[in-house]
This record gives sequence, C-alpha cells and structure tokens, in this order.
Amino acid sequence: QQQVKQSPQSLIVQKGGISIINCAYENTAFDYFPWYQQFPGKGPALLIAIRPDVSEKKEGRFTISFNKSAKQFSLHIMDSQPGDSATYFCAAFRGGSNYKLTFGKGTLLTVNP
Amino acid sequence: DTEVTQTPKHLVMGMTNKKSLKCEQHMGHRAMYWYKQKAKKPPELMFVYSYEKLSINESVPSRFSPECPNSSLLNLHLHALQPEDSALYLCASSQLQLGQGYTFGSGTRLTVV
Repeated sequence: QQQVKQSPQSLIVQKGGISIINCAYENTAFDYFPWYQQFPGKGPALLIAIRPDVSEKKEGRFTISFNKSAKQFSLHIMDSQPGDSATYFCAAFRGGSNYKLTFGKGTLLTVNP
Repeated sequence: DTEVTQTPKHLVMGMTNKKSLKCEQHMGHRAMYWYKQKAKKPPELMFVYSYEKLSINESVPSRFSPECPNSSLLNLHLHALQPEDSALYLCASSQLQLGQGYTFGSGTRLTVV
C-alpha cells in the first residue's frame, strides 16, 4: 500500500520557469510533511517542511502548498535554475510511538539552461 | 555541510568480511535512523532508535546489526552480506515526537563483491 503518491515521475522545465511537484497522502495521522532534494551520490537534503495546520509555507524560491481536506500538498520552485536539477522526494511523518518517514517515489527534475 | 556525519563515504567488502558503518549527530536529536536506498528509489527504513533503544526493526536480515552506544552515535555492523545488499546506506536523526528537522547524512556507498 503506497501511502504517499507523488507525481510526476519526471519533469523538464526551462530556466526561469516554475516547477510543480504534487503529492497525495492517505493517512490522516501524518503530522509533518517534509520535502527533500537529492543529488546523485548524496543523501537527501531537507528543503522545506510544513505541518497540516498551515496552508502555505515559503522559503526563498521554494513554496509548499497544503490542502488538508483534499489530503494533498505540492512543492513549487519559482525561477527554476539548472542547479535545481535533482530528484525531489515528498514525505510524511507520523509521531507518537511510530517515527517512520514515508516517502513518495520521487520526481526527477531537469532544468534546461 | 550536513549535520549528520557518516563514515566511511565508500566501502567495498567481500561476502565474508565484517565491517561497520558509523553515524554521528550533535543536534540533540533523540531519534536516529538507518535507511537503505537503491538507485532511483526512495530511502527504505531499516531501523529506528529512540532514546538509544531500538524501537523499530523493519524485518531486516540479521546480517545487519545496529548499535546505539550513546545519544550522538549510531553504528551499523555488517557481516556476511550479499551482492544485492549493495546500496547507499543513510543515517538520519530527528526530534522525537514531531519529526522536526528530520536530517539525513550524506550516506555510505556500499559495494559487496
């Protein structure tokens, strides 16, 4: 059972454009939703995160939009740059006695110069 | 630089060898994790430690043996591995209840020959 569904699988954007990656979750017990950026051969780097009581969070060129009723959240990268080319993973965390981070399958973003 | 430090960065070992992966964090996080990541896939959880005690073992084969000597250190002992165990092994840490700051190290690239 895939608890976090991520789309698209791959995305090609021109420099300066907007990159949008979408995720949907099923378990309403999730209470923390981070996004990770991963370059080849490196570990995932925490990019930005949001909690379900907030509808939007912005950090620089990166924005998370969160729709609690639809159980969906998305990452927007404004003014996309070639250096943003990487794999992006959305994830969901459930606290309490279970500290698991459930990942989406990832999106390979390519930003063309 | 990541605040979760993993050593070594690369490791090649034979199927009869015994080796250890090391992880260190100084963020005061009381939850630490081992993940395994295959190419083009999201990280898969292996073990979770909370307050230096093993709280989750995701049915990992006994040839992988975790150890948490103190709140800052996490080891993964490897013995009699198979070629299919070749992967990127990631350590992570977070605050306990809310997953705040769930941070990954850069990983150890393990090749089993």
